[in-house]
Amino acid sequence: NAGVTQTPKFQVLKTGQSMTLQCAQDMNHEYMSWYRQDPGMGLRLIHYSVGAGITDQGEVPNGYNVSRSTTEDFPLRLLSAAPSQTSVYFCASSYGGRGYTFGSGTRLTVV
Amino acid sequence: GQQVMQIPQYQHVQEGEDFTTYCNSSTTLSNIQWYKQRPGGHPVFLIQLVKSGEVKKQKRLTFQFGEAKKNSSLHITATQTTDVGTYFCAGKEGAQKLVFGQGTRLTINP
Repeated sequence: NAGVTQTPKFQVLKTGQSMTLQCAQDMNHEYMSWYRQDPGMGLRLIHYSVGAGITDQGEVPNGYNVSRSTTEDFPLRLLSAAPSQTSVYFCASSYGGRGYTFGSGTRLTVV
Repeated sequence: GQQVMQIPQYQHVQEGEDFTTYCNSSTTLSNIQWYKQRPGGHPVFLIQLVKSGEVKKQKRLTFQFGEAKKNSSLHITATQTTDVGTYFCAGKEGAQKLVFGQGTRLTINP
């Protein structure tokens, strides 16, 4: 099993550009979520999904969109990148209320 | 909304000393999870506590969940250099959202 796969690992965007961070898991986990990690701020929940076709907002959803058309994939879209979105983004999945499995992260810089 | 506070933010110890990090929630939690993140890495799940007053041990690590299910602690006995990293608690309110504390970064002087 590959676990949770995130692509790309690194990305530099210009202000105003849009992009999609990819997240895929092969463990048949129903629950998937996106977090951003900034120094001293811990992990903040952006969006989450409890199953295909169902998504909801977390603590910091503004500027991001998600969709969950399949159990395996949960992409995160940045609509118009801003320097404040410079961060490390982690995708995570779980099932049955158990511990989360995290991807290796995407380091995003917006200039 | 739900808030999870974790202290201290940083802790530096000599190898062999003990280490404790504390986690407090503004609301009653259905369960609490603990994660470890090595420098440059991603969070890795350590354990989940569900019952009021629960205590669980993993070798030198002891995890506690408060009686009111609003606080938790992680205690490491006799730290080793392999314990270096940031330890996060994360609380669940209900069955869905998992909210993380700010983390405690542990550094160790060998």
